[in-house]
Amino acid sequence: GAVVSQHPSWVICKSGTSVKIECRSLDFQATTMFWYRQFPKQSLMLMATSNEGSKATYEQGVEKDKFLINHASLTLSTLTVTSAHPEDSSFYICSAREQGKETQYFGPGTRLLVL
Amino acid sequence: AQSVTQLGSHVSVSEGALVLLRCNYSSSVPPYLFWYVQYPNQGLQLLLKYTSAATLVKGINGFEAEFKKSETSFHLTKPSAHMSDAAEYFCAVSDQHYGQNFVFGPGTRLSVLP
Repeated sequence: GAVVSQHPSWVICKSGTSVKIECRSLDFQATTMFWYRQFPKQSLMLMATSNEGSKATYEQGVEKDKFLINHASLTLSTLTVTSAHPEDSSFYICSAREQGKETQYFGPGTRLLVL
Repeated sequence: AQSVTQLGSHVSVSEGALVLLRCNYSSSVPPYLFWYVQYPNQGLQLLLKYTSAATLVKGINGFEAEFKKSETSFHLTKPSAHMSDAAEYFCAVSDQHYGQNFVFGPGTRLSVLP
């Protein structure tokens, strides 16, 4: 149980294009989903928290107009990197949590390379 | 606010030796504590968690951790390392109110030598 998937697992795009990453909870309803960014050999940095049906809460320093988050259903959240630039290249990981539960379950991550 | 420190960014042990990965936390409220493992180019897998029940928590793959409030620690141990244990390990803390304020430590890379 508690499986979270991400799609795509990796993506290469040109600078200036937008990229959408999907995060799905496969066997539970995720009232809250989280988006993290991880640079090589570093820990995870929380970008934003989204609750189903509400606007996402962004961490300080994260541009909400650049990283668009949608959590329209209890099993799906999307992160769109708009007008991507090479410095946006990173490993993006989502996690999902069931209402009233304390554990976050993580997706396998999406590696983004912007050329 | 919560914070987590992990002593030792890189730990090397021989196969069959004891594994000890250190985690100390700071929290103004009773915490929940977690250990996650990350294999290369993969997401995080939950190893074990402390949620205010037993202080000695057993997880998957033979790992266990003990919550010591007096020492604000939650060290991860395994009696005998296996080559497949080589990975990055993250300690995390959240408060007990619906797991809010989830904070990761910087991670410890475990190498297992033959």
